[in-house]
Amino acid sequence: DAGVIQSPRHEVTEMGQEVTLRCKPISGHDYLFWYRQTMMRGLELLIYFNNNVPIDDSGMPEDRFSAKMPNASFSTLKIQPSEPRDSAVYFCASSFREGRDEQYFGPGTRLTVT
Amino acid sequence: SQQGEEDPQALSIQEGENATMNCSYKTSINNLQWYRQNSGRGLVHLILIRSNEREKHSGRLRVTLDTSKKSSSLLITASRAADTASYFCATDQAPAQKLVFGQGTRLTINP
Repeated sequence: DAGVIQSPRHEVTEMGQEVTLRCKPISGHDYLFWYRQTMMRGLELLIYFNNNVPIDDSGMPEDRFSAKMPNASFSTLKIQPSEPRDSAVYFCASSFREGRDEQYFGPGTRLTVT
Repeated sequence: SQQGEEDPQALSIQEGENATMNCSYKTSINNLQWYRQNSGRGLVHLILIRSNEREKHSGRLRVTLDTSKKSSSLLITASRAADTASYFCATDQAPAQKLVFGQGTRLTINP
């Protein structure tokens, strides 16, 4: 298996623009997680899905953030409009049967909002 | 809120020495995990220890868990330059199916 795939790897955009981050989890994994990592706040869980259904979005910072999982092999995290404080590395991770067991992380998307 | 807190925040040792990192947490757990993150990369799972286990080994890694003290330690023996990375502990948030990660320990192995 290729592991968790994320795209793009780097994104530079101007404040106010819409940003869409993409993730393909490992085939057969039931859970998908979106995290954000910054120096100041560390690794934060934004939202997670079980069998394509959003379970907990309490970590989503505000209404500008939205996430979808239209099928088992694809998820998006959208920021609209983007702000400089959204600059961070965004990780997608997946796990097999239990969300609290081993998680497999993608390489991340480094987002810079100017 | 942070569940796991690593200590120290940064550690620098000579190649060949042992490295010990600690993690403390606040609430009851089902399992505790350790992950490694190389610069510019995603996190990689190292080891999982369940609440009814006290010690676990994987190659040069040794993890201990003391549920009475709500703490865990990760020992890397005979360190190598390639072990240079950040190490994170993560605890589950039962009954929710999610993990909470600590701030990490940045380990530097000097040749």
